[in-house]
Amino acid sequence: DIQMTQSPSTLSASVGDRVTITCRASQSISSWLAWYQQKPGKAPNLLIYQASSLESGVPSRFSGSGSGTEFTLTISSLQPDDFATYYCQHYNSYSRTFGQGTKVEIK
Amino acid sequence: QVQLQESGPGLVKPSETLSLTCTVSGGSISAYYWSWIRQPPGKGLEWIGYIYYGGTTNYNPSLKSRVTISVDTSKNQFSLKLTSVTAADTAVYYCAREAYTAMWVFDSWGQGTLVTVSS
Repeated sequence: DIQMTQSPSTLSASVGDRVTITCRASQSISSWLAWYQQKPGKAPNLLIYQASSLESGVPSRFSGSGSGTEFTLTISSLQPDDFATYYCQHYNSYSRTFGQGTKVEIK
Repeated sequence: QVQLQESGPGLVKPSETLSLTCTVSGGSISAYYWSWIRQPPGKGLEWIGYIYYGGTTNYNPSLKSRVTISVDTSKNQFSLKLTSVTAADTAVYYCAREAYTAMWVFDSWGQGTLVTVSS
């Protein structure tokens, strides 16, 4: 089974900072990766799919990159609404796997 | 806009079976994958399994021996059964739709329902 590992687990940042979260796959997954944002008490919300495609309605300060085994989610200028937990997720024909999450906290 | 709503008991005794139903409104259950995902308190997301509207299923290998997901297209519902539960199965359980946008992604979620396993 493919394992997804995110780093860091927690990230402290200030409004306006550029933030990068990394997700590594235990084997190559091409570009079959999505990113979700989850706020406390709420269901996750899709941000990025196919590693770098921005979901409709998601602010352009969010971007994704990578392929194979290493992927990044970047927030170009952190906004107050962005303090949340972020998950990467891999899909293949028989399984879906989430990373363990990265919590973005206020510094 | 499609909406999903989980329903079922919030408290289940150890060794018993957890049963939840997800009702889909505002859209058809056809032509999508439908998943159950859970999140233990303070922890990350765990995919439990999916069912395609035609009935094909796939489950997380770590739960496969205890999980059954079924669909009732006439009621626009799909359901989860998890047998022999323990305290480790205490979690918020989400139902979610997967739509194809260059890849299958979870584009719609229920609000989640907390299920506590306790005697």
